[in-house]
Amino acid sequence: VQLVESGGGVVQPGRSLGLSCAASGFTFRGYAFHWVRQAPGKGLEWVSLISYDGTKKYYADSVKGRFTISRDNSKNTLDLQMNSLTAEDTAVYYCALTGTYSGMDVWGQGTTVIVSS
Amino acid sequence: AIQMTQSPSSLSASVGDRVTISCRASQDIGNDLGWYQQKPGKAPKLLIYAASTLQGGVPSRFSGSGSGTDFTLTISSVLPEDFATYYCLQDNNSPYTFGQGTKLEIK
Repeated sequence: VQLVESGGGVVQPGRSLGLSCAASGFTFRGYAFHWVRQAPGKGLEWVSLISYDGTKKYYADSVKGRFTISRDNSKNTLDLQMNSLTAEDTAVYYCALTGTYSGMDVWGQGTTVIVSS
Repeated sequence: AIQMTQSPSSLSASVGDRVTISCRASQDIGNDLGWYQQKPGKAPKLLIYAASTLQGGVPSRFSGSGSGTDFTLTISSVLPEDFATYYCLQDNNSPYTFGQGTKLEIK
């Protein structure tokens, strides 16, 4: 049972970046997934959630309108497209299968996004 | 958005102490609350879900209680490996929200 994020890096303010999360070892299409981030030295911030079938998507106010979550159940992948990035988006980004209704707790290792000129 | 107020922000304890961390929601969230442990450089780990249900593999010295707006995480007898930062997360209503975190330090 594993989640592996990729796509992090250094990006200039105002630019875009896409993150991916590859799942293995369980029935991906049966679960909702989260993105959670953590800015350097700060606490955890919930970012986004997508339902098991991709029809329902939810976002934190801080990213609504700029970030888009999506999934491909045929490829067992979860994505986060991040547009109009600012320095406040600098963080480690985790994909996660967790929470009250999931019955599971699986997190990726995290991928680092640095927004800097 | 539902605000989660977690207290204290930091806590010093000795091995063997009983410690309690609280989270208060700005509105009724039923029992849709989880408690997470995070160690430096690592991903969070779910300890308790649905306010009081122990996640599989988590030691029984961890327990959760509460419903509605007031929730508590208790460690009955702290061990050295428990020194970490703890967060609550409400997943009742989007946007989901974490508490600010409680750093448990060695006294």
